Amino acid sequence: GAVVSQHPSRVICKSGTSVKIECRSLDFQATTMFWYRQFPKQSLMLMATSNEGSKATYEQGVEKDKFLINHASLTLSTLTVTSAHPEDSSFYICSASGTNNEQFFGPGTRLTVL
Amino acid sequence: AQSVTQLDSQVPVFEEAPVELRCNYSSSVSVYLFWYVQYPNQGLQLLLKYLSGSTLVKGINGFEAEFNKSQTSFHLRKPSVHISDTAEYFCAVTPGVGGGNKLTFGTGTQLKVEL
Repeated sequence: GAVVSQHPSRVICKSGTSVKIECRSLDFQATTMFWYRQFPKQSLMLMATSNEGSKATYEQGVEKDKFLINHASLTLSTLTVTSAHPEDSSFYICSASGTNNEQFFGPGTRLTVL
Repeated sequence: AQSVTQLDSQVPVFEEAPVELRCNYSSSVSVYLFWYVQYPNQGLQLLLKYLSGSTLVKGINGFEAEFNKSQTSFHLRKPSVHISDTAEYFCAVTPGVGGGNKLTFGTGTQLKVEL
């Protein structure tokens, strides 16, 4: 149990375009979802926390207008990188937690902006 | 606020040898402690966690960790490693009871198992 999926696993886009990444909890209801960013050979940095049906809480230094997060249902959250630039290239990982507060991680999405 | 320090960025070890990956934390409140493993281009998988009770915690794949409150440490150990254990290992903490589940990660330790 406790499976979290992400789609797509890899995406390449042109500079200036927007990219949407989906995070789904497949077998449990996720009241909270988290979005992380990971640069090569570095740790995970929390970008934002989202609770179903409410606005996401962004960490300091994360642009909320650039990284749009939607958590419209208990099984789906989306991260949209708007007007992507090469410096946005990174590995994006989501996690989901339900009633027991443990976080379950998705497999990640590799974003490359040309 | 919490912080996590993983003292070794890389640990090379021969197959079947024991290994210890070090983790120290800092927090003004009680914490829960976690170890995660990440294989290349994949998400994180929970190895083990300490919430309360026995300070020696056993996890998957033969790993164990010991919580030492006086040393503020949570070192990860395995008595005999395998090639397949080659991966990145992250120590993480969250606030304890009632503190929410926001994870703070260490910088990671790359375990490289050699023949």
